[in-house]
Amino acid sequence: GIQVEQSPPDLILQEGANSTLRCNFSDSVNNLQWFHQNPWGQLINLFYIPSGTKQNGRLSATTVATERYSLLYISSSQTTDSGVYFCAVVKGGAGAGSYQLTFGKGTKLSVIP
Amino acid sequence: AAGVIQSPRHLIKEKRETATLKCYPIPRHDTVYWYQQGPGQDPQFLISFYEKMQSDKGSIPDRFSAQQFSDYHSELNMSSLELGDSALYFCASSLVRVGNTGELFFGEGSRLTVL
Repeated sequence: GIQVEQSPPDLILQEGANSTLRCNFSDSVNNLQWFHQNPWGQLINLFYIPSGTKQNGRLSATTVATERYSLLYISSSQTTDSGVYFCAVVKGGAGAGSYQLTFGKGTKLSVIP
Repeated sequence: AAGVIQSPRHLIKEKRETATLKCYPIPRHDTVYWYQQGPGQDPQFLISFYEKMQSDKGSIPDRFSAQQFSDYHSELNMSSLELGDSALYFCASSLVRVGNTGELFFGEGSRLTVL
């Protein structure tokens, strides 16, 4: 199956700092999503971004599909940004026929006041 | 906007008992997915249904079964529960496009504790 690697595994930030989270994947993808799992366990959609660049407030994401990586940027971090950030992909290509969204291990972010 | 609805949110069972989780997808979404997330783990794909037919299968134990009904809601049935089945169970839905799952939206999860 497709491999998804996220880095760093853990990140501690001072409130107001910026950060970049990385997601590498081992094959072509039809779907790439970024999620934030908050301390209550909810999986919140951040971006649906199989290619290109998107921005939503203090967050932005870029996927370079040809080089098989995606980046999530968090600017002016707040304590409410704490939690685990997951990258997840669906393998693409002819005849892939798979509806599996495969998750990386996540980046655990802690923002301290 | 309507989201994916899961019930119950929490349940506690004894070993060897049976549990049933329910999922109501976003209206007009044609595909439902089930995921299991153990403590400190990433979500693992169990099974999916497209237009009420099983479309893909992951690491779902033989003790588990699922189906999607005519109204598109889905149920995950878990029998002979084991301690290791304690986890957060997510349901997700999407509107599939040609060759693409579309964006998946997840429910808030059902937390199962097996004692």
